[in-house]
Amino acid sequence: NAGVTQTPKFQVLKTGQSMTLQCAQDMNHNSMYWYRQDPGMGLRLIYYSASEGTTDKGEVPNGYNVSRLNKREFSLRLESAAPSQTSVYFCASRLAGVWNEQFFGPGTRLTVL
Amino acid sequence: QQQVKQSPQSLIVQKGGIPIINCAYENTAFDYFPWYQQFPGKGPALLIAIRPDVSEKKEGRFTISFNKSAKQFSLHIMDSQPGDSATYFCAASAVSGGYQKVTFGTGTKLQVIP
Repeated sequence: NAGVTQTPKFQVLKTGQSMTLQCAQDMNHNSMYWYRQDPGMGLRLIYYSASEGTTDKGEVPNGYNVSRLNKREFSLRLESAAPSQTSVYFCASRLAGVWNEQFFGPGTRLTVL
Repeated sequence: QQQVKQSPQSLIVQKGGIPIINCAYENTAFDYFPWYQQFPGKGPALLIAIRPDVSEKKEGRFTISFNKSAKQFSLHIMDSQPGDSATYFCAASAVSGGYQKVTFGTGTKLQVIP
């Protein structure tokens, strides 16, 4: 099992450019998440998908959109990148249930100039 | 609004020492308290977790102490090793809007000196 995979690993964008971050999991998990990690701020939830076909906003959704393509894949799109979106982005997944852990991908380091 | 407060921000201990990382929460609806370990360039990985009906949980050299009345919990690392050098995040989760929402602390960067 590959677990949670993310592409790309690194990306540099110019202000106003768009891009999609890809995430896939092979653990048959119901729920998937996108977080951003910034120094001194921990992990903040951008969007989540409790199950295939549903998506909801998290703590910091402005400037982002998501698509739950199927049970395996959950993508994050930046329509018009801004320097404030420079961050490390993590995708995570988990099986439904109170005590189940979240599994994280390796992250995408995004720089917006 | 920071619902899970974590301290210290960074910590340096010598090999064999016992680093302690503290977290406090506000929301009494939280019902699961995991700790994650993150190495540079990697995603966080679950280290150990505790439920609020238990006051202590040990897994190897890692121990969580939980004080429900004070709304505080802490991570102790016994006989710390240089390989334990990483960033540690506490977290708390509760069902919100029909899904399990996890709130993370701001992280503690631990360095264990040989």
